[in-house]
Amino acid sequence: DTGVSQDPRHKITKRGQNVTFRCDPISEHNRLYWYRQTLGQGPEFLTYFQNEAQLEKSRLLSDRFSAERPKGSFSTLEIQRTEQGDSAMYLCASSQGTIDTDTQYFGPGTRLTVL
Amino acid sequence: AQSVTQPDIHITVSEGASLELRCNYSYGATPYLFWYVQSPGQGLQLLLKYFSGDTLVQGIKGFEAEFKRSQSSFNLRKPSVHWSDAAEYFCAVGYNTNAGKSTFGDGTTLTVKP
Repeated sequence: DTGVSQDPRHKITKRGQNVTFRCDPISEHNRLYWYRQTLGQGPEFLTYFQNEAQLEKSRLLSDRFSAERPKGSFSTLEIQRTEQGDSAMYLCASSQGTIDTDTQYFGPGTRLTVL
Repeated sequence: AQSVTQPDIHITVSEGASLELRCNYSYGATPYLFWYVQSPGQGLQLLLKYFSGDTLVQGIKGFEAEFKRSQSSFNLRKPSVHWSDAAEYFCAVGYNTNAGKSTFGDGTTLTVKP
């Protein structure tokens, strides 16, 4: 199966530490999205890439968050100086990016717990 | 701004009974609509999608949904629920532009009674 993969699946960290998550999209997909999902809520959009270009960032993405997609393949999401409020599931999705049929396929997510 | 409302936080049905999960959206243009299912510890799996054309769309696992523009709704249905359908279900609306990001509802948790 060549679906979207995310690493790690779980991360426990102490407040103030930096964490980095990785997402590997479906190989032929040129769009990559990051979402955050907290308990009892649906996923909330954070940012997305078209190839290596980061085209949109949500207001939810504070200065402590940074995302990259070098070479337009895998992506990393880094959170600096983590806070307890950052505890959530971080979901990655990818799509082919065609105008009319832009269906996103999601990875299993990385669950972050900040102590 | 687009938004999605799933009025039912939690629904319980008996195995073999029919199911309807409600979804209402707010969006100024023609929406792209999706239903996803999420089981514990799993990622979101796409059940079905509507972009255009026939307003009754068929999906995987025996699910279907009907787009009703006049009611701004995209309700998910299944004629006979199986115990394995117990999960959380999310409705989402996407832009019909070259952007693709989706706005999700807060989900409906489905419990299936034996």
